Amino acid sequence: DAKTTQPPSMDCAEGRAANLPCNHSTISGNEYVYWYRQIHSQGPQYIIHGLKNNETNEMASLIITEDRKSSTLILPHATLRDTAVYYCIVHLFYNQGGKLIFGQGTELSVKP
Amino acid sequence: DTEVTQTPKHLVMGMTNKKSLKCEQHMGHRAMYWYKQKAKKPPELMFVYSYEKLSINESVPSRFSPECPNSSLLNLHLHALQPEDSALYLCASSPRAPGNYGYTFGSGTRLTVV
Repeated sequence: DAKTTQPPSMDCAEGRAANLPCNHSTISGNEYVYWYRQIHSQGPQYIIHGLKNNETNEMASLIITEDRKSSTLILPHATLRDTAVYYCIVHLFYNQGGKLIFGQGTELSVKP
Repeated sequence: DTEVTQTPKHLVMGMTNKKSLKCEQHMGHRAMYWYKQKAKKPPELMFVYSYEKLSINESVPSRFSPECPNSSLLNLHLHALQPEDSALYLCASSPRAPGNYGYTFGSGTRLTVV
């Protein structure tokens, strides 16, 4: 699976949009971009994933560049509960099993 | 049921003990995973089971022994562990297709080896 590069930490004011970038310049055509987050001492939580098109769900939006070499996770109205480590993972989805490999992630701090 | 349940939540064991971690899911997922996470580090993949068969072992020491008795249950048997094996052990499962929810993780077992 392709490697990803994320800033180690970011701050965001409560109520503002949090934009978390991720570079994945070696991504191949059939690899998905996944985002997970991990709140302290809990298991990782799935947020969103995409292949080519931008995606939105009740938690976040995922913007993937046209060349697919980078993406941005957007939390539209960050709250204090969004403080967590956010992982961007590029993953070739296997049917029933594969290797979801975590990088170092971005530690997002949402401040009042 | 959209959860992965791990028991126990906390475990303290001596270096000569034998213990087991349990993971259960009822989402019909046929792939299940064990991850190990040290403090301030990302989760590291240990094992992958696909259709109850071990498909990936990431060169994990033999003192960790996984078992998948059926499609809903995954165990991790522990024997003769070292203090450096103290960590959060996470179980996950994944669906047949990327679908809408990705991989589902349990909340983990916090293991302390004394």
